[in-house]
Amino acid sequence: QVQLQESGPGLVKPSQTLSLTCTVSGGSISSDNYYWNWIRQHPGKGLEWIGYVHHSGNSYYNPSLKSRLTMSIDTSNNQFSLKLTSATAADTAVYYCARQIYSNNWATFFDYWGQGTLVTVSS
Amino acid sequence: DIVMTQSPDSLAVSLGERATINCKSSQSVLYGSSNKNYLAWYQQKPGQPPKLLISWASTRESGVPDRFSGSGSATDFTLTITSLQAEDVAVYYCQQYYSLWTFGQGTKVEIK
Repeated sequence: QVQLQESGPGLVKPSQTLSLTCTVSGGSISSDNYYWNWIRQHPGKGLEWIGYVHHSGNSYYNPSLKSRLTMSIDTSNNQFSLKLTSATAADTAVYYCARQIYSNNWATFFDYWGQGTLVTVSS
Repeated sequence: DIVMTQSPDSLAVSLGERATINCKSSQSVLYGSSNKNYLAWYQQKPGQPPKLLISWASTRESGVPDRFSGSGSATDFTLTITSLQAEDVAVYYCQQYYSLWTFGQGTKVEIK
């Protein structure tokens, strides 16, 4: 059974960098069939896709966050990470990591999710 | 961006009755060459991550009760829960994967 677990600071100061790591167990992050994503949910709100990374190094980011966002992957530790610079209160959210099915050259839906971690941006 | 709009925002249904949730996309998510609709449905219970229920608009995931069904095509989709159970209380989201990945705003299902 694939499991994903987010980790990182729950409190970030404004203007600092929000950094999170997702550890994948029960499956290899190096599979060609999956993209590895970050999705966030502002308090009491809906879901916002942040970006994905693939073990090949391919990545793609939400255009609205692209200028502040870097995602990376560590295949030796079965982990992937997110760094969001210049954090503001608007970045306060629950951050989920999620596996995305890559089928017939198309990135599709999200079949496994982490439990989520609340990150608050505040001084 | 493709905007996904769900209706209603919330609904209250009696136990054992039918719940119907609608999802409308701002442009078609039907891929012509495959004749597949690039749409998924998720269920999110309080304090939990979303759970994938249905992909390709109507394909139920393994382990999902058959009281959940998805239908629709192109721009208009429906998630139906026949015979609502107490454990179905949740927020339901549609998501398109035709062009990038966007979600509806969610529909909260409660017991009447």
